[in-house]
Amino acid sequence: DTGVSQDPRHKITKRGQNVTFRCDPISEHNRLYWYRQTLGQGPEFLTYFQNEAQLEKSRLLSDRFSAERPKGSFSTLEIQRTEQGDSAMYLCASVLSGRIDEQYFGPGTRLTVT
Amino acid sequence: AQRVTQPEKLLSVFKGAPVELKCNYSYSGSPELFWYVQYSRQRLQLLLRHISRESIKGFTADLNKGETSFHLKKPFAQEEDSAMYYCALSPGTYKYIFGTGTRLKVLA
Repeated sequence: DTGVSQDPRHKITKRGQNVTFRCDPISEHNRLYWYRQTLGQGPEFLTYFQNEAQLEKSRLLSDRFSAERPKGSFSTLEIQRTEQGDSAMYLCASVLSGRIDEQYFGPGTRLTVT
Repeated sequence: AQRVTQPEKLLSVFKGAPVELKCNYSYSGSPELFWYVQYSRQRLQLLLRHISRESIKGFTADLNKGETSFHLKKPFAQEEDSAMYYCALSPGTYKYIFGTGTRLKVLA
């Protein structure tokens, strides 16, 4: 297990297109987080899962964003009808509940909307 | 509102000098506080957590509830400490709120 992985690492898309990102957490980790990070900002919480249940979504997450974690393992984040403001780094992190709450981050997916 | 403030975008110090990265938070309850670090071309990773009261790579951080601060300190900076540092707060709901980060540059 080499840690949290994300795919793709980079995505360039045209405005109005849909994109989907994938996150594979560390295998025994039951909590999974999605963040968005723009230039000069820290990671901004989007949503998180406890196993397959999505327990919280940020109010900043518009209806164009949806996330799933169908079997409590990998997760996908979909953005529909992308806008230029969606350009950002999308980070995934996983946590093993009951431990020290250390988040293990993936390398991120950089999205550019043209 | 829950908020984490890191007032300095960039902090430059000379090697061997003391370092203090400031973090102030806004939260009415008892938060859990963290410092995360991102070295060049590496992933974001946990540096330390206040509840552990530990020193990692010579860094310590003390929670001051009166001043709502959680400043990160190191008595003698090393060049390998150059990185982006983020303070983060968890209000106990498994949600994490990050500050905007401070870039530390340690000059030779």
